[in-house]
Parts: sequence; C-alpha cells; structure tokens
Amino acid sequence: AQTVTQSQPEMSVQEAETVTLSCTYDTSESDYYLFWYKQPPSRQMILVIRQEAYKQQNATENRFSVNFQKAAKSFSLKISDSQLGDAAMYFCAYRISYQTGANNLFFGTGTRLTVIP
Amino acid sequence: EPEVTQTPSHQVTQMGQEVILRCVPISNHLYFYWYRQILGQKVEFLVSFYNNEISEKSEIFDDQFSVERPDGSNFTLKIRSTKLEDSAMYFCASGDQPQHFGDGTRLSIL
Repeated sequence: AQTVTQSQPEMSVQEAETVTLSCTYDTSESDYYLFWYKQPPSRQMILVIRQEAYKQQNATENRFSVNFQKAAKSFSLKISDSQLGDAAMYFCAYRISYQTGANNLFFGTGTRLTVIP
Repeated sequence: EPEVTQTPSHQVTQMGQEVILRCVPISNHLYFYWYRQILGQKVEFLVSFYNNEISEKSEIFDDQFSVERPDGSNFTLKIRSTKLEDSAMYFCASGDQPQHFGDGTRLSIL
C-alpha cells in the first residue's frame, strides 16, 4: 500500500530565510509522481511543484525546489527567501503513473508552515 | 487560467437529509475526483470518474455516496442520508498530470 509520511506537523521560518519540509513515502512501484500542494487559510489546494520519479533532476519552480531521493523514498520541499504569503499547510502527495484511467492522490498529514515577519 | 469551480462554498444540512455537492471541472479534462478533508486531518480520496463511470473508489465511498456527470459539464457528489461524521471539506479535482482542485465545499451536518 502507498503511504505518505510528513513527520513535521509544524514548522516556522523567518521571512527571507530558507526552510525545508520533509516527506517520505512507501511504494513498491518504480514509476510514479510526487507533488507538493499548498493549502492557505482559505482552504484552496494549490499545486506548488511536481516531480516525475523517472527524472533524476530535481524539480524547481522559482523559490520552490525539491530534493528527490528515490532510493531513500524521500521528497523534501525547500522554500527559499520565504515570504509571508508562503504561510500555509503543505501537503506532500503521491500517485502511480502507469495505470490507465484516473489515478488518485495519496496525501500526507501535512506540515503547517508559519512565516515570522 | 481555467479553474475547477465548486458550489456551494458552505452547506449546512440536518442529519439524515440528502445533500448534493456540485463541481464544474476544467472543460477539456477527462478525469474527475472527489476528495474529503475532515477538519484537522489529511485529504482523503473518495472516488475517481473517467469515461462516464467510476474508475476507482475508496472504502469511505459506501452506498450512501454516488457521483454523476449529468450534462457533460457538472460533476456531482450525492450523499443520500447524511451522518454527523460526513462533516468535512469536500474537494473536487479534475485533470491527470497534475490534478487541479476546486476551492472546496464545507459541509456541516447538524
């Protein structure tokens, strides 16, 4: 069974500093996708970044980057130059890539990030 | 940018009543999903829908739940006889790579 674990229920970072959120997952599959979603107080679910497991290069999106360690089944999110608007709940998510039809996401329990001015 | 829209944003219903949550997925998407998030907990998969039928469902999605795409535009989730434990945020999503989420419907069962 696929499980996603986020071991940090809460994290805080000073504005303009860098923070890393951890995520590990368990799967027997070799081909899959990993995602980080952000959920601000408004409760929307906003995609931050995604990573295909077959790609060795870590994904980056502006101030957001990941450290994908496939062998260790680790997928951490680094936020550089943190801004007040980054304050949110961050969810790590996994899905299989090869199945036909719709493929659901498995979510971790989330990390609440506070940005200190 | 196209987005997934959900209505209503907040629904309050008496226990035992039927409720229908509505979603308009992004127009060219083929895959549709419902997820649930009980307050303070993680997001959980309920059901996926493709080619006008359910492609997968979780153990949460029991006989009280049903989904429909009645007119090729809306994608609905119906709960036939609501229970207190159905109180949650319900998210609709569409797409494949990646999935795009709506803003959610907060369902409160009294």
